[in-house]
Amino acid sequence: SQQGEEDPQALSIQEGENATMNCSYKTSINNLQWYRQNSGRGLVHLILIRSNEREKHSGRLRVTLDTSKKSSSLLITASRAADTASYFCATGGGNTPLVFGKGTRLSVIA
Amino acid sequence: EPEVTQTPSHQVTQMGQEVILRCVPISNHLYFYWYRQILGQKVEFLVSFYNNEISEKSEIFDDQFSVERPDGSNFTLKIRSTKLEDSAMYFCASRVQQGGNQPQHFGDGTRLSIL
Repeated sequence: SQQGEEDPQALSIQEGENATMNCSYKTSINNLQWYRQNSGRGLVHLILIRSNEREKHSGRLRVTLDTSKKSSSLLITASRAADTASYFCATGGGNTPLVFGKGTRLSVIA
Repeated sequence: EPEVTQTPSHQVTQMGQEVILRCVPISNHLYFYWYRQILGQKVEFLVSFYNNEISEKSEIFDDQFSVERPDGSNFTLKIRSTKLEDSAMYFCASRVQQGGNQPQHFGDGTRLSIL
Protein backbone atom coordinates (compact mmCIF):
# COMPACT_ATOMS: atom_id res chain seq x y z
CA SER A 1 0.00 0.00 0.00
CA GLN A 2 1.00 3.63 -0.26
CA GLN A 3 1.02 4.00 3.51
CA GLY A 4 2.54 7.09 5.02
CA GLU A 5 4.15 6.65 8.38
CA GLU A 6 5.04 9.64 10.50
CA ASP A 7 7.68 10.09 13.08
CA PRO A 8 8.02 11.01 15.81
CA GLN A 9 4.74 9.73 17.21
CA ALA A 10 4.71 12.62 19.67
CA LEU A 11 6.59 15.90 19.84
CA SER A 12 6.56 18.51 22.59
CA ILE A 13 8.17 21.91 22.05
CA GLN A 14 8.13 25.41 23.45
CA GLU A 15 6.23 28.17 21.73
CA GLY A 16 8.46 29.92 19.21
CA GLU A 17 10.50 26.83 18.41
CA ASN A 18 10.34 25.01 15.11
CA ALA A 19 8.65 21.62 14.81
CA THR A 20 9.73 19.03 12.27
CA MET A 21 7.71 15.94 11.47
CA ASN A 22 8.71 13.24 9.05
CA CYS A 23 6.76 10.87 6.88
CA SER A 24 7.84 7.78 4.97
CA TYR A 25 5.85 5.88 2.38
CA LYS A 26 6.27 2.68 0.44
CA THR A 27 5.26 3.01 -3.19
CA SER A 28 5.48 5.60 -5.96
CA ILE A 29 3.18 8.57 -5.57
CA ASN A 30 1.68 11.38 -7.59
CA ASN A 31 1.54 13.68 -4.61
CA LEU A 32 1.73 13.73 -0.85
CA GLN A 33 -0.50 15.74 1.43
CA TRP A 34 -0.33 16.89 5.02
CA TYR A 35 -3.40 17.26 7.21
CA ARG A 36 -3.94 18.60 10.72
CA GLN A 37 -6.46 17.27 13.20
CA ASN A 38 -7.35 19.22 16.30
CA SER A 39 -8.67 17.14 19.17
CA GLY A 40 -12.22 16.02 18.45
CA ARG A 41 -12.32 17.68 15.07
CA GLY A 42 -12.00 16.65 11.44
CA LEU A 43 -8.94 16.68 9.24
CA VAL A 44 -7.89 20.01 7.79
CA HIS A 45 -5.88 20.01 4.59
CA LEU A 46 -2.63 21.93 5.01
CA ILE A 47 -0.53 21.48 1.93
CA LEU A 48 -0.05 19.24 -1.09
CA ILE A 49 3.27 18.61 -2.76
CA ARG A 50 3.46 16.99 -6.17
CA SER A 51 5.92 14.24 -6.93
CA ASN A 52 7.94 16.54 -9.21
CA GLU A 53 8.31 19.17 -6.50
CA ARG A 54 11.04 19.12 -3.87
CA GLU A 55 9.90 21.86 -1.56
CA LYS A 56 6.78 23.90 -0.97
CA HIS A 57 5.91 26.72 1.40
CA SER A 58 2.64 27.95 2.83
CA GLY A 59 2.89 30.61 5.52
CA ARG A 60 4.82 29.09 8.42
CA LEU A 61 4.71 25.63 6.84
CA ARG A 62 7.48 24.17 4.76
CA VAL A 63 7.17 20.75 3.20
CA THR A 64 9.93 18.82 1.49
CA LEU A 65 9.67 15.70 -0.59
CA ASP A 66 12.43 13.25 -1.44
CA THR A 67 11.01 10.66 -3.81
CA SER A 68 14.31 8.75 -3.93
CA LYS A 69 14.03 8.13 -0.19
CA LYS A 70 10.23 7.98 -0.24
CA SER A 71 10.06 10.54 2.52
CA SER A 72 8.62 13.93 3.28
CA SER A 73 8.99 16.39 6.11
CA LEU A 74 6.73 19.09 7.49
CA LEU A 75 8.36 22.01 9.23
CA ILE A 76 6.31 24.46 11.27
CA THR A 77 8.34 27.54 12.06
CA ALA A 78 7.83 29.81 15.07
CA SER A 79 5.26 27.47 16.55
CA ARG A 80 2.28 28.72 18.51
CA ALA A 81 0.12 27.08 21.14
CA ALA A 82 -2.65 26.95 18.52
CA ASP A 83 -0.49 24.61 16.43
CA THR A 84 -1.08 21.90 19.02
CA ALA A 85 -2.73 19.09 17.06
CA SER A 86 -2.06 15.79 15.35
CA TYR A 87 -0.43 15.99 11.94
CA PHE A 88 -0.89 13.33 9.28
CA CYS A 89 0.72 12.71 5.96
CA ALA A 90 -1.39 11.05 3.31
CA THR A 91 -0.68 9.55 -0.06
CA GLY A 92 -3.20 8.98 -2.80
CA GLY A 93 -5.96 11.46 -3.43
CA GLY A 94 -7.16 12.47 -6.84
CA ASN A 95 -8.93 9.40 -8.14
CA THR A 96 -7.59 7.14 -5.41
CA PRO A 97 -8.43 7.09 -1.70
CA LEU A 98 -6.20 8.86 0.77
CA VAL A 99 -4.00 6.57 2.82
CA PHE A 100 -2.99 8.11 6.12
CA GLY A 101 -0.21 7.41 8.56
CA LYS A 102 -0.72 7.21 12.32
CA GLY A 103 0.22 10.83 12.76
CA THR A 104 2.45 12.92 14.97
CA ARG A 105 0.92 14.48 18.08
CA LEU A 106 2.41 17.93 18.44
CA SER A 107 2.17 19.80 21.73
CA VAL A 108 3.28 23.42 21.76
CA ILE A 109 3.76 24.70 25.28
CA ALA A 110 3.20 28.39 25.91
CA GLU B 1 -15.67 29.20 3.71
CA PRO B 2 -17.94 26.28 2.74
CA GLU B 3 -17.73 23.28 5.04
CA VAL B 4 -18.64 19.63 5.09
CA THR B 5 -21.16 19.14 7.88
CA GLN B 6 -21.90 15.88 9.65
CA THR B 7 -24.72 14.89 11.96
CA PRO B 8 -25.03 13.76 14.63
CA SER B 9 -21.76 14.63 16.31
CA HIS B 10 -22.17 11.65 18.65
CA GLN B 11 -24.34 8.58 18.18
CA VAL B 12 -24.81 5.90 20.81
CA THR B 13 -26.43 2.70 19.58
CA GLN B 14 -27.07 -0.76 20.92
CA MET B 15 -25.20 -3.59 19.25
CA GLY B 16 -27.26 -5.10 16.47
CA GLN B 17 -29.12 -1.91 15.69
CA GLU B 18 -28.93 -0.02 12.42
CA VAL B 19 -27.41 3.43 12.33
CA ILE B 20 -27.38 6.15 9.67
CA LEU B 21 -24.68 8.77 9.65
CA ARG B 22 -25.42 11.91 7.69
CA CYS B 23 -23.20 14.27 5.77
CA VAL B 24 -23.80 17.40 3.74
CA PRO B 25 -20.84 17.80 1.37
CA ILE B 26 -19.74 21.14 -0.02
CA SER B 27 -22.33 22.13 -2.59
CA ASN B 28 -20.30 22.15 -5.81
CA HIS B 29 -18.31 19.03 -4.95
CA LEU B 30 -18.74 15.91 -7.01
CA TYR B 31 -16.79 13.23 -5.15
CA PHE B 32 -17.73 11.97 -1.74
CA TYR B 33 -15.95 9.74 0.74
CA TRP B 34 -16.36 8.04 4.07
CA TYR B 35 -13.42 7.28 6.33
CA ARG B 36 -13.28 5.97 9.84
CA GLN B 37 -10.81 6.31 12.70
CA ILE B 38 -10.87 3.80 15.52
CA LEU B 39 -9.59 5.38 18.72
CA GLY B 40 -5.82 5.64 18.65
CA GLN B 41 -5.52 4.22 15.14
CA LYS B 42 -5.12 5.50 11.61
CA VAL B 43 -7.78 7.13 9.53
CA GLU B 44 -8.98 4.39 7.17
CA PHE B 45 -10.75 4.69 3.86
CA LEU B 46 -14.17 3.08 3.60
CA VAL B 47 -15.78 4.12 0.33
CA SER B 48 -15.83 6.71 -2.43
CA PHE B 49 -18.90 7.77 -4.37
CA TYR B 50 -19.32 9.57 -7.66
CA ASN B 51 -22.15 10.03 -10.10
CA ASN B 52 -24.58 8.22 -7.81
CA GLU B 53 -22.55 5.07 -7.50
CA ILE B 54 -19.71 3.63 -5.51
CA SER B 55 -16.42 4.18 -7.32
CA GLU B 56 -14.16 2.38 -4.88
CA LYS B 57 -14.47 0.62 -1.54
CA SER B 58 -12.09 -0.94 0.94
CA GLU B 59 -12.25 -4.41 2.43
CA ILE B 60 -13.72 -2.83 5.55
CA PHE B 61 -16.78 -1.78 3.56
CA ASP B 62 -18.59 -5.12 3.56
CA ASP B 63 -22.27 -5.96 3.15
CA GLN B 64 -22.97 -4.40 6.54
CA PHE B 65 -22.34 -0.96 5.06
CA SER B 66 -24.14 1.03 2.40
CA VAL B 67 -24.06 4.59 1.13
CA GLU B 68 -26.69 6.72 -0.49
CA ARG B 69 -27.15 10.19 -1.87
CA PRO B 70 -30.91 10.47 -1.40
CA ASP B 71 -31.16 14.03 -2.64
CA GLY B 72 -28.96 16.78 -4.00
CA SER B 73 -27.35 17.63 -0.71
CA ASN B 74 -27.12 14.68 1.68
CA PHE B 75 -24.70 11.74 1.62
CA THR B 76 -25.38 8.99 4.12
CA LEU B 77 -23.57 5.98 5.50
CA LYS B 78 -25.76 3.19 6.83
CA ILE B 79 -24.41 0.47 9.07
CA ARG B 80 -26.75 -2.48 9.50
CA SER B 81 -26.60 -4.70 12.56
CA THR B 82 -23.82 -2.77 14.27
CA LYS B 83 -21.01 -4.55 16.08
CA LEU B 84 -18.88 -3.42 19.00
CA GLU B 85 -15.91 -3.02 16.67
CA ASP B 86 -17.82 -0.46 14.61
CA SER B 87 -17.22 2.04 17.40
CA ALA B 88 -15.10 4.78 15.82
CA MET B 89 -15.09 8.30 14.46
CA TYR B 90 -16.62 8.39 11.00
CA PHE B 91 -15.53 11.19 8.71
CA CYS B 92 -17.19 12.33 5.53
CA ALA B 93 -15.15 14.14 2.89
CA SER B 94 -15.83 15.71 -0.46
CA ARG B 95 -13.78 16.89 -3.39
CA VAL B 96 -14.59 19.23 -6.20
CA GLN B 97 -13.42 17.41 -9.30
CA GLN B 98 -11.91 14.30 -10.76
CA GLY B 99 -8.19 13.83 -11.06
CA GLY B 100 -5.68 16.57 -10.52
CA ASN B 101 -4.55 17.49 -7.09
CA GLN B 102 -7.64 18.93 -5.47
CA PRO B 103 -7.73 18.15 -1.75
CA GLN B 104 -10.49 16.36 0.06
CA HIS B 105 -12.37 18.47 2.57
CA PHE B 106 -13.39 16.71 5.77
CA GLY B 107 -16.25 17.18 8.18
CA ASP B 108 -15.75 17.11 11.95
CA GLY B 109 -16.94 13.53 12.13
CA THR B 110 -19.54 11.50 13.98
CA ARG B 111 -18.41 9.62 17.02
CA LEU B 112 -20.22 6.27 16.94
CA SER B 113 -20.36 4.33 20.17
CA ILE B 114 -21.76 0.81 20.09
CA LEU B 115 -22.85 -0.58 23.45
